[in-house]
Amino acid sequence: NAGVTQTPKFQVLKTGQSMTLQCAQDMNHEYMSWYRQDPGMGLRLIHYSVGAGITDQGEVPNGYNVSRSTTEDFPLRLLSAAPSQTSVYFCASRSDREGSYEQYFGPGTRLTVT
Amino acid sequence: SQQGEEDPQALSIQEGENATMNCSYKTSINNLQWYRQNSGRGLVHLILIRSNEREKHSGRLRVTLDTSKKSSSLLITASRAADTASYFCATDGDYGNNRLAFGKGNQVVVIP
Repeated sequence: NAGVTQTPKFQVLKTGQSMTLQCAQDMNHEYMSWYRQDPGMGLRLIHYSVGAGITDQGEVPNGYNVSRSTTEDFPLRLLSAAPSQTSVYFCASRSDREGSYEQYFGPGTRLTVT
Repeated sequence: SQQGEEDPQALSIQEGENATMNCSYKTSINNLQWYRQNSGRGLVHLILIRSNEREKHSGRLRVTLDTSKKSSSLLITASRAADTASYFCATDGDYGNNRLAFGKGNQVVVIP
């Protein structure tokens, strides 16, 4: 299994540009999440999904959209990039099996907005 | 919102020594997890402790949980250079395991 994969690894955007960060998992996990990690801030939840067709907002959702058309994929869209969105973005998934709480993280996408 | 928060430590120890880091949180929880992050990589789950447990072991890891003080500690015994990483605690709290609250992390450097 490849686990959780993310593309691209690095991206530089200009202010106002839009882009989609891709996330895929091959573990048949129902739950998927997007986090951003900023220096000294830990990880903050952007959006999450409990299954195909179901998404919800996390702690810092403004400026981001998500959709979940399949179990495997959970793309994160930046609508109009701002310098404040410069961060490292992590996608994670976990099983919905009873008692299974471990989250599996992708390698991250480092985004710089100039 | 509920937040797991580590004591803001940067720990530098010699190989073979023990490393201890702490985490405090603000609301009631069902479980608390610890994750490791090597430089430039994603987080890796280490261990989970449930609210009705006080101590848990996994290999060289020992986790304690004190729900009355809303705090947890992670002990790594006989540290190795490969343990050099940042360590994060994460709690579920009011929103459950779909909305984990991560602490700010503890950086541990193990000197060979």
